[in-house]
Amino acid sequence: KAGVTQTPRYLIKTRGQQVTLSCSPISGHRSVSWYQQTPGQGLQFLFEYFSETQRNKGNFPGRFSGRQFSNSRSEMNVSTLELGDSALYLCASRGGGPSNEQFFGPGTRLTVL
Amino acid sequence: SQKIEQNSEALNIQEGKTATLTCNYTNYSPAYLQWYRQDPGRGPVFLLLIRENEKEKRKERLKVTFDTTLKQSLFHITASQPADSATYLCVLRRNTGFQKLVFGTGTRLLVSP
Repeated sequence: KAGVTQTPRYLIKTRGQQVTLSCSPISGHRSVSWYQQTPGQGLQFLFEYFSETQRNKGNFPGRFSGRQFSNSRSEMNVSTLELGDSALYLCASRGGGPSNEQFFGPGTRLTVL
Repeated sequence: SQKIEQNSEALNIQEGKTATLTCNYTNYSPAYLQWYRQDPGRGPVFLLLIRENEKEKRKERLKVTFDTTLKQSLFHITASQPADSATYLCVLRRNTGFQKLVFGTGTRLLVSP
């Protein structure tokens, strides 16, 4: 099976712009979660989608939003970018096995100038 | 406040020795705890899961213990190899609350030949 893919891998934006990141989960996985990873804070949970519905949400401002499509692909959008949004954004899919293992994509490295 | 803590300093050991990484948490009642490995520039990879009613779990050279009284999990790598060098993340799944998965900031392991 192909792994989780994320596009783009690298992105440079300026303050005030918006950005959309894309994630394609492993075939058959219906749960997709998004995380922000920074050196100081580690992995911070953004939100989880399951069958096109947001199931959980982390403690991030409303500038961060997401959605999931019927084919389980997911997008994450950040509006009005701030310098502090520079991070590695990771997407993970889950198939519901006994280990509740999450399969992570390679991430999108976002730099806000 | 609720916290999950891992040693922020890197752990340096010699090849062949046993590496022991610590994960401590406060004010959580976890359903289970997972350990992931992350290499630079890549997403985390699942290693092991241990549930609240389990004391110990093994997989090849890996061993995880879970002490809900001490609120601590220990992750051991026996006969360590330079290829084991990576950052290891402790992840806690809460029974309650909106943000179910909580990640530690990770401990970097360096195994010298």
